Amino acid sequence: DTGVSQNPRHKITKRGQNVTFRCDPISEHNRLYWYRQTLGQGPEFLTYFQNEAQLEKSRLLSDRFSAERPKGSFSTLEIQRTEQGDSAMYLCASSPTGAGAHSEQFFGPGTRLTVL
Amino acid sequence: GNSVTQMEGPVTLSEEAFLTINCTYTATGYPSLFWYVQYPGEGLQLLLKATKADDKGSNKGFEATYRKETTSFHLEKGSVQVSDSAVYFCALSASFNKFYFGSGTKLNVKP
Repeated sequence: DTGVSQNPRHKITKRGQNVTFRCDPISEHNRLYWYRQTLGQGPEFLTYFQNEAQLEKSRLLSDRFSAERPKGSFSTLEIQRTEQGDSAMYLCASSPTGAGAHSEQFFGPGTRLTVL
Repeated sequence: GNSVTQMEGPVTLSEEAFLTINCTYTATGYPSLFWYVQYPGEGLQLLLKATKADDKGSNKGFEATYRKETTSFHLEKGSVQVSDSAVYFCALSASFNKFYFGSGTKLNVKP
């Protein structure tokens, strides 16, 4: 396995359009995380899945955002009615099955969203 | 709550200079501490970690010691190389659910 992959790598859209991003974690990892990173800042937590269950959502995740992980493998993050403030890098990470509080997370390369 | 504060950059050093990037944290409970590095055009990679007080994480000549008394996890390297030029992020994990990251410090190393 070559690591966490994300598609697309770049997305340019017009304000008001919907966009969907995909994340494929490392195959044996059951935990999957989404983060958002704006220019000059560190990643901020958005949401977390254990297998197919979404266990935590940040207040940053407004009603326009939805994430799924239907079969406990890949995940999608959808943003409806995009706004210019949604422009950011969206990062996906995964961590191994059975990992405790001290495990590292493995990050994908990110999807850069630009809303015009 | 949980948060991480790290020194602002950019930090510009000459090759073979000594590097320190400061990181302090606030946390509830007993966090683990991490340094991640992001090279140009690449994703975040784990550089080193420490899971309890007084632990020292080390990798590729970088070191950081988990200091509970000063709530710090400063990153150090004795002799930087041009290839170390990157953005460095300090992070804590207070549960297995999520990480809290600092804002990142950009390091530029000149030959």
